[in-house]
Amino acid sequence: DAKTTQPNSMESNEEEPVHLPCNHSTISGTDYIHWYRQLPSQGPEYVIHGLTSNVNNRMASLAIAEDRKSSTLILHRATLRDAAVYYCILRPGAGSYQLTFGKGTKLSVIP
Amino acid sequence: DGGITQSPKYLFRKEGQNVTLSCEQNLNHDAMYWYRQDPGQGLRLIYYSQIVNDFQKGDIAEGYSVSREKKESFPLTVTSAQKNPTAFYLCASKQREKNTGELFFGEGSRLTVL
Repeated sequence: DAKTTQPNSMESNEEEPVHLPCNHSTISGTDYIHWYRQLPSQGPEYVIHGLTSNVNNRMASLAIAEDRKSSTLILHRATLRDAAVYYCILRPGAGSYQLTFGKGTKLSVIP
Repeated sequence: DGGITQSPKYLFRKEGQNVTLSCEQNLNHDAMYWYRQDPGQGLRLIYYSQIVNDFQKGDIAEGYSVSREKKESFPLTVTSAQKNPTAFYLCASKQREKNTGELFFGEGSRLTVL
């Protein structure tokens, strides 16, 4: 399975933008890049996903490198509610739908 | 509101006892999943089901069993054969047709073996 590498933890000040990096140097041409986040003692929630082009939604933006070997999740203005573990996941475009969650990045937001 | 309901939220059991965790969804999703999460770790896939009366083992199926008799329900039994069952268990679902769609998760069940 293709793997991702994320920093263990990051900090951000409230109301500032946050850039969460993810490296996936072994990504294949059909792998989708998914991001989920998990608040303490809750189940993960979907944030965003993409294939080749940058993506925006109401929660975040996903910037994908041209060679697709890395991506960045962008939270435009961090709030205290954004403090969570963020998971970057590669999902094969073919075959059964399975997501493999690594340890993710624990984001702390400082008031 | 549509969603996934897991119960119980907290559960204690003695060693050697089987326990069943409930997962119900009213999202009309075909596919359902069970994950296990240990402290400070990511999620590991136990079992998944893409359609009623069919399910497949995930990465850590040993010591667990599931059934999928109804589309809405995917209960997980933690058997006495599971060597280290204390963990946070998460159920998820998605629409099977939407191959790039998101997984919806329940709030989890925390199992502690005494």
